[in-house]
Amino acid sequence: DADVTQTPRNRITKTGKRIMLECSQTKGHDRMYWYRQDPGLGLRLIYYSFDVKDINKGEISDGYSVSRQAQAKFSLSLESAIPNQTALYFCATSDLSQGERVELFFGEGSRLTVL
Amino acid sequence: GQNIDQPTEMTATEGAIVQINCTYQTSGFNGLFWYQQHAGEAPTFLSYNVLDGLEEKGRFSSFLSRSKGYSYLLLKELQMKDSASYLCAVRDWGTGGFKTIFGAGTRLFVKA
Repeated sequence: DADVTQTPRNRITKTGKRIMLECSQTKGHDRMYWYRQDPGLGLRLIYYSFDVKDINKGEISDGYSVSRQAQAKFSLSLESAIPNQTALYFCATSDLSQGERVELFFGEGSRLTVL
Repeated sequence: GQNIDQPTEMTATEGAIVQINCTYQTSGFNGLFWYQQHAGEAPTFLSYNVLDGLEEKGRFSSFLSRSKGYSYLLLKELQMKDSASYLCAVRDWGTGGFKTIFGAGTRLFVKA
């Protein structure tokens, strides 16, 4: 089983619908992130959380919200989906105890299509 | 603000050497990463540089010059499986703490 699991892996929805993407991890990491990836734009940070009580906006948080339900769970919500939110979404984790290196460990991605 | 630039695409021949360049501008630089991403898959960590110089790991090496805001990833003895996107990413300190910012990626095509 993957250490960082995202559900759903694929989702097609309509404009205006509420969508939740879920991420859970078994790595015991304290830090979790949500990125979206679009062709030609690379990975852009939406929200990040350094622990359960800490939530921070990233580069492109408008239209998104998050919830850190537990150390192992970090959910991304689109309250009213719009077509330009069609993208590949990645959850990632990192571990403070790694020190400076702090590499990211990514989930397998959730492909969202908004019609 | 932050800015990370890398070439969009590169093509190289199996068995050859390829160098993928990355330039960056950040206000609170705290390390540079390279990730590999095969089509349809998650990015995976390749290398990390925080001090100037070359870090070598098998067929892959990564170089950093902080004064020039420049890094490169060197891939030797190219194999077909090296066809992938290579993402340059910078760890940046700002309000809200450290976060990792990615470039758009360089898609590498390895031909026989």
